[in-house]
Amino acid sequence: GENVEQHPSTLSVQEGDSAVIKCTYSDSASNYFPWYKQELGKRPQLIIDIRSNVGEKKDQRIAVTLNKTAKHFSLHITETQPEDSAVYFCAAPIGGSGGGADGLTFGKGTHLIIQP
Amino acid sequence: DAGVIQSPRHEVTEMGQEVTLRCKPISGHNSLFWYRQTMMRGLELLIYFNNNVPIDDSGMPEDRFSAKMPNASFSTLKIQPSEPRDSAVYFCASRAYYGYTFGSGTRLTVV
Repeated sequence: GENVEQHPSTLSVQEGDSAVIKCTYSDSASNYFPWYKQELGKRPQLIIDIRSNVGEKKDQRIAVTLNKTAKHFSLHITETQPEDSAVYFCAAPIGGSGGGADGLTFGKGTHLIIQP
Repeated sequence: DAGVIQSPRHEVTEMGQEVTLRCKPISGHNSLFWYRQTMMRGLELLIYFNNNVPIDDSGMPEDRFSAKMPNASFSTLKIQPSEPRDSAVYFCASRAYYGYTFGSGTRLTVV
């Protein structure tokens, strides 16, 4: 099955700076990679996702890049703001593909701290 | 759209008691997933259903755990008997194709 490694476990950045969180996966057949944000005491929420037919996707201040050869993908947050403080999780399909009925396996999470 | 609805939000029970967690997925979503979240183990997939049929229950930790989905709008996760190590937040999520929507979770404490 799929194995997802995420790092760092904690990331502290100054407000306004950029933050990068990285994940690696093991199954080369995987083709869908979402990122979730979880604020303290709340549910994980999908913030951005990418499919393997593209190398990068952007949505305002967040972007995700994918390197299928190296089997890693990254979340980039620019111009960080206090409300970006949360735990971020990457994920990949357990079955090694993408949509349909596949469950997701999640990384262990990155606690992002935005310093004022 | 009310989103994925879970109940109860909090449950405190004594060791050995039966616990039933409930989930109503988003209408039209044909896949439903149960996850458990702890500090030590993160988000673990317990079981998931596609069109009400259990697809993979390999994440269910023990025979004490069982899950059902009798129809497209309702699922339960049952723990019998409960143990202190079952204490965690249990999330239900549903999906139409890509992208899960999580419920608010049930925080279970077994004392």
